[in-house]
Amino acid sequence: DAGVIQSPRHEVTEMGQEVTLRCKPISGHNSLFWYRQTMMRGLELLIYFNNNVPIDDSGMPEDRFSAKMPNASFSTLKIQPSEPRDSAVYFCASSLRRGASGGYTFGSGTRLTVV
Amino acid sequence: AQTVTQSQPEMSVQEAETVTLSCTYDTSENNYYLFWYKQPPSRQMILVIRQEAYKQQNATENRFSVNFQKAAKSFSLKISDSQLGDTAMYFCAFMKHGVLLGGSQGNLIFGKGTKLSVKP
Repeated sequence: DAGVIQSPRHEVTEMGQEVTLRCKPISGHNSLFWYRQTMMRGLELLIYFNNNVPIDDSGMPEDRFSAKMPNASFSTLKIQPSEPRDSAVYFCASSLRRGASGGYTFGSGTRLTVV
Repeated sequence: AQTVTQSQPEMSVQEAETVTLSCTYDTSENNYYLFWYKQPPSRQMILVIRQEAYKQQNATENRFSVNFQKAAKSFSLKISDSQLGDTAMYFCAFMKHGVLLGGSQGNLIFGKGTKLSVKP
């Protein structure tokens, strides 16, 4: 199993540009989560999908952020327009189901820098 | 709302020695899970060990063990025979039991982390 795959690993973009982060969950996992990690706020849950359907997006900071999961093997997190304060590491994680006692499997993250 | 507190921002230990990382949490729930994740410089979040709240026996995974004190809401991680590869950020995490769609069940809530350095 290749684990949770995220791309790109690093992204540097200019303020105002659109940024798209990508995630491929582990095959067979039906829950997918997007987290953001910053020094100030630590790890925060942005949104979670169950069976490709967004269930809880209360952590999405602003309307500039959107997430989709068109099928069971692919999800995107888009920021449009990007701002310097969006600079962070964005993690995708998946699990067999939400609340699985085994915890979540995380990808390697995308480090986003907005200049 | 649940909170997770790690009171030690940084710690260091000599190779081959034992170190304990502290974690406390606040919840009114009775059924939940606790986890320790490791984040090495590679950035990958790696599950180290987990504990079900209903189990009194402390979880153990090779050199890693926990001291789970439910009444005190404490969940410390002990690393024995520390190795250079243990150098990483360690995050304590809480998850409320339950799989209902919506709400906070099943959300992993993390502490701010402890940076552990193992010195040769």
